[in-house]
Amino acid sequence: NAGVTQTPKFRVLKTGQSMTLLCAQDMNHEYMYWYRQDPGMGLRLIHYSVGEGTTAKGEVPDGYNVSRLKKQNFLLGLESAAPSQTSVYFCASKRRVNYGYTFGSGTRLTVV
Amino acid sequence: DQQVKQNSPSLSVQEGRISILNCDYTNSMFDYFLWYKKYPAEGPTFLISISSIKDKNEDGRFTVFLNKSAKHLSLHIVPSQPGDSAVYFCAASQGGSEKLVFGKGTKLTVNP
Repeated sequence: NAGVTQTPKFRVLKTGQSMTLLCAQDMNHEYMYWYRQDPGMGLRLIHYSVGEGTTAKGEVPDGYNVSRLKKQNFLLGLESAAPSQTSVYFCASKRRVNYGYTFGSGTRLTVV
Repeated sequence: DQQVKQNSPSLSVQEGRISILNCDYTNSMFDYFLWYKKYPAEGPTFLISISSIKDKNEDGRFTVFLNKSAKHLSLHIVPSQPGDSAVYFCAASQGGSEKLVFGKGTKLTVNP
């Protein structure tokens, strides 16, 4: 039982490059989330999804896009990376009626 | 507007003593509170939670206290162990909401 798997674990991008972060969960969870963690800022919600085919903006959505074409996958895209997007990105999922999240192990992204 | 506040960025305690981590919130509609623990290079993991209908919840060495009138909760760890050294995040949810709001975290160091 893998839980929530994030790929890649590390990535270095040049400013202006694009990339997609993949989150996969095998728990049949309805809800999925993308957070970023920055020093002194805690966990901030980027985008989330309450079901296959749905997405919604969180607290800091600018510069990111997401897609949830399959229930088990939630993709986070950076179309034109900026140094301000250097961060650790966490994906999380949960059941519809459960308050608790299950988190992935994170993706450390550096934009130079 | 920070709805969940952890005002102490760090806390250091001796092994065997009590660790008390504090969290304040501003949204009176929050009715469910959680604590997550995060080790370096790992995703946050669920530790303990409490519903607003209770004022205390205990799980082994971990106890969470909720003071609704003061909009304050605290996590007590007794006795503290070196393996408890981690960043602890407080999170809150409003009834029926699919999202958690996180504090900035408190880094706990337990010294042998």
